[in-house]
Amino acid sequence: AQSVTQLDSQVPVFEEAPVELRCNYSSSVSVYLFWYVQYPNQGLQLLLKYLSGSTLVKGINGFEAEFNKSQTSFHLRKPSVHISDTAEYFCAVISSFGNEKLTFGTGTRLTIIP
Amino acid sequence: KAGVTQTPRYLIKTRGQQVTLSCSPISGHRSVSWYQQTPGQGLQFLFEYFSETQRNKGNFPGRFSGRQFSNSRSEMNVSTLELGDSALYLCASSSGRGRHIQYFGAGTRLSVL
Repeated sequence: AQSVTQLDSQVPVFEEAPVELRCNYSSSVSVYLFWYVQYPNQGLQLLLKYLSGSTLVKGINGFEAEFNKSQTSFHLRKPSVHISDTAEYFCAVISSFGNEKLTFGTGTRLTIIP
Repeated sequence: KAGVTQTPRYLIKTRGQQVTLSCSPISGHRSVSWYQQTPGQGLQFLFEYFSETQRNKGNFPGRFSGRQFSNSRSEMNVSTLELGDSALYLCASSSGRGRHIQYFGAGTRLSVL
């Protein structure tokens, strides 16, 4: 089984400042990793994914994440945030062996301060 | 290409009633998963259907059930509703290839009074 820990439940950041949302996972097998974003009253939108290859993955809206196998982390970063980035962000993991159950973290609410 | 469509978007029911939610996956996708999202429990996996068969199941009581039709559309049913069933129910679809990449619908907000 897999588990995901998002270390910060809320992160306030000034507009145009950089941000990092932290995610650590636990698994006895190899996994794929994802970040999803949820805007108010909406579903989840895929931001980016790590399946294999380069450990630095780029996603939509200027976000990127780095997979660190030794630290079992997959932190999300953006160099300069905008008001429109205000949302809840979820880290998720799934076994690479075909188990379709996505396991989510508890989410991080990102608030951008003008 | 149309995304995942969930209907209805909002539902209000009373305790003891039953409810059916619908999900139409992305065209060509054969796997549909359901999740429940609540402020207290976060996102929890309900079940997954692939080619009309339940392939995976989460830890929910038998009041929660689902099915998938030959066109991959899926329905989720909750019988004997309880107040604690109030939640956002999310459906996600994935293809046969790279099927671990799941795309979500906008959800159905269920309120049980």
